[in-house]
Amino acid sequence: ETGVTQTPRHLVMGMTNKKSLKCEQHLGHNAMYWYKQSAKKPLELMFVYSLEERVENNSVPSRFSPECPNSSHLFLHLHTLQPEDSALYLCASSQSMGLVQFFGPGTRLTVL
Amino acid sequence: KNEVEQSPQNLTAQEGEFITINCSYSVGISALHWLQQHPGGGIVSLFMLSSGKKKHGRLIATINIQEKHSSLHITASHPRDSAVYICAVSTSGTYKYIFGTGTRLKVLA
Repeated sequence: ETGVTQTPRHLVMGMTNKKSLKCEQHLGHNAMYWYKQSAKKPLELMFVYSLEERVENNSVPSRFSPECPNSSHLFLHLHTLQPEDSALYLCASSQSMGLVQFFGPGTRLTVL
Repeated sequence: KNEVEQSPQNLTAQEGEFITINCSYSVGISALHWLQQHPGGGIVSLFMLSSGKKKHGRLIATINIQEKHSSLHITASHPRDSAVYICAVSTSGTYKYIFGTGTRLKVLA
């Protein structure tokens, strides 16, 4: 595997479910990012990790909980989501913060 | 008003046409990025610019720092160029990207 991978690619969940999105980067980068992309809106930065420390929590509701166990892996834990949370969730990484970001393919999330 | 504005929002072209997508921004930047997003969702970085002009194959990106404006040109367009093209800026002194809403390009054979 090369680049940035995300699993699953598609996820349908009910409002009472708990699920997790996974991102893995094979580029040796030190910074990782979660973005939300809703229809007709610009990408929104959710969380940033640098060297496994969270450096940004962009007023994201607590029903989204990130985890970065090491510099190659990033998770987004989801619980009691709302239908308006349905979106494409993109992970990205960069060698360090401020440098070019490499994006994963995204997870298309639908909340019923 | 968004800090990064793109035009047009949607563009349909015939194969072979010369295409221009514009991006204007209102903040101080350290760099401007052009990104390509295919229907599957993944985003690919095309260019990072802080001045002047860059070329890669049939793609050309220019930036005018004084006018806070950038253009992405596609020469001899092809149906495989159909995608959403996103302009993003890295703001001065931070690592954050500010994104435009994207230009949806469809190239017809």
